[in-house]
Amino acid sequence: EAGVAQSPRYKIIEKRQSVAFWCNPISGHATLYWYQQILGQGPKLLIQFQNNGVVDDSQLPKDRFSAERLKGVDSTLKIQPAKLEDSAVYLCASSSSASGRNTGELFFGEGSRLTVL
Amino acid sequence: AQSVSQHNHHVILSEAASLELGCNYSYGGTVNLFWYVQYPGQHLQLLLKYFSGDPLVKGIKGFEAEFIKSKFSFNLRKPSVQWSDTAEYFCAVNAPGRRALTFGSGTRLQVQP
Repeated sequence: EAGVAQSPRYKIIEKRQSVAFWCNPISGHATLYWYQQILGQGPKLLIQFQNNGVVDDSQLPKDRFSAERLKGVDSTLKIQPAKLEDSAVYLCASSSSASGRNTGELFFGEGSRLTVL
Repeated sequence: AQSVSQHNHHVILSEAASLELGCNYSYGGTVNLFWYVQYPGQHLQLLLKYFSGDPLVKGIKGFEAEFIKSKFSFNLRKPSVQWSDTAEYFCAVNAPGRRALTFGSGTRLQVQP
């Protein structure tokens, strides 16, 4: 079974530039998450999708961050314009539910490391 | 709101030493509890999880964790660590029915041969 795919793995940009990250979840996983992991901290949820609908985006800085999952499969996270404090690893994860019960396990991609100069 | 505290930020042990990593959570209701591990250069992966039942849960690679409801704790243990256990360990929690996880800040474990 293929895992969660993310690209690019690394990106260096200057502040005020824009960047986009792509994620392809495990086939059949209805739920997709974007997390931000700043160095020395744990992952922080940015947005959660169920199929192509947003379940939770309460921690997404909507003035500069946007995300979409138009067809309910892959997803794109965009930052425009970037700030220095956006330097982090952006993790994508997906999950499924068995018989409607939350199995709890999130499957993570390897992440996209963003450096903003 | 849920929160997770991991008080040990960096732990250094020699091989064969015993390990205990602390995790405390803050949430008023029933929770599901998890430990994830991130080996160097690899993605986060599930180590073990607790939903209900026996508060002592066993995971992969000889790890176990004990849920103590009265202490809001879910500490991770291993009787004898190996060099290959060098990694970062994250405790996480979610409320039943809400799949998104809230993570602690992580504990970096370094095992010296």
